[in-house]
Formats: sequence, C-alpha cells, structure tokens
Amino acid sequence: KAGVTQTPRYLIKTRGQQVTLSCSPISGHRSVSWYQQTPGQGLQFLFEYFSETQRNKGNFPGRFSGRQFSNSRSEMNVSTLELGDSALYLCASSAGGRVTEAFFGQGTRLTVV
Amino acid sequence: AQSVTQPDIHITVSEGASLELRCNYSYGATPYLFWYVQSPGQGLQLLLKYFSGDTLVQGIKGFEAEFKRSQSSFNLRKPSVHWSDAAEYFCAVAPEGYNKLIFGAGTRLAVHP
Repeated sequence: KAGVTQTPRYLIKTRGQQVTLSCSPISGHRSVSWYQQTPGQGLQFLFEYFSETQRNKGNFPGRFSGRQFSNSRSEMNVSTLELGDSALYLCASSAGGRVTEAFFGQGTRLTVV
Repeated sequence: AQSVTQPDIHITVSEGASLELRCNYSYGATPYLFWYVQSPGQGLQLLLKYFSGDTLVQGIKGFEAEFKRSQSSFNLRKPSVHWSDAAEYFCAVAPEGYNKLIFGAGTRLAVHP
C-alpha cells in the first residue's frame, strides 16, 4: 500500500508570492491534516479536511488555506508569503474516524527568501 | 487548553543501554496519546498509540509506553537502544473527538557507540 505522498519535496519562493502544496493520502483514507514544523514553534496543526470539508482548524492567519478533492487528495495554499512561513509542511492521512492514527508524508520544505 | 510537555530536549545514551523518554500531558478527559519518531529531513513515523484499555502499549522497533493517568504521563521506553534509534521523538495528544494532534517540543536522542 503506497504511503502519503507530498509534492514537491522542496520549494524556494520569494516574499509576497503564493505557493500551493499537494498531498495524496493513503488509498481509502478520507481525512487529510496539515502541520507546520519550524525550529522555533515546533509542530503546529494547520487544518484538517474530511470528505472535502474543513473539519478542524488551527490558529493560523487566513493566508493559509486548503481544500480537498473528491479523491481525498488535498492542497494547501499560502498567499503573500512571509519569511516566517519558511518551514517543513507535513501532511497526515488517516482513515477518518473521530480520532484515528495519522500517517505522515515526508513533507515539503518551503524556503521563503 | 491541552498541552504536551517533553521535559528533556536532548538525551544521550550508549548503545545497548535502556531508554526512557518522558511525556506529560494536560487534558481533562481521556486522552488519545501517540509517540512519533522523526529522522532528519523526514516525516513522522508512528511508534505506538494509546486509546484505551491496557495501559502498557507495545509499538514498533521494540518500543513500549505506559499510560499513567494519576501522573498525566505517557513515557516511552526501550530496553536496549540501537545506534539507528538516534532521531527526534515527539509525544502527541489528540483531544477526544478531534482528529488533530498537539505535539510536544520533541526530544532529540543521540546514541553513542
């Protein structure tokens, strides 16, 4: 069974630009969550999508948004990039129950210059 | 608010020695608890989880963890550490009914030959 696939693995963007990250969950999983990992703030929950609907949301500004498609693939978008958005963005896939174990992708390393 | 504390930022052990990584959580109801491991530049791999039942849970790679409600702890243990166990370890809690993870700051494990 294929794992969670995140693309691209690495990105370099300029401040003010926008970026879209992609996540393909494990086949059959209906929930996709996104996390930001930085040295200063650690791992922080961004949002969760289930059946194309945002089900949970963390404390991030509106510049961070996401969506989920009917095949459960998810995209995360960050607009008007700031230097502080440089981070490892991790996607987690889970079956979709109220609380289930999450399986993580290898992440997308975003660098904002 | 829910939180997770990992008191040890860095731990160094000798190969073959036993290991215990500490985790304390703050959550009023029954928590869903997890331990993840992350190698440099990689995503998170689930080591084990506690949802209910037996308070001693076994995981992959020879790890185990014990849930102690009276101490609000979920410490990770391994009887004999291998050099390949060097990585960063994260404890996480999922609030009941929510498919999101709140992570501790992590413990970086170094293994001396």
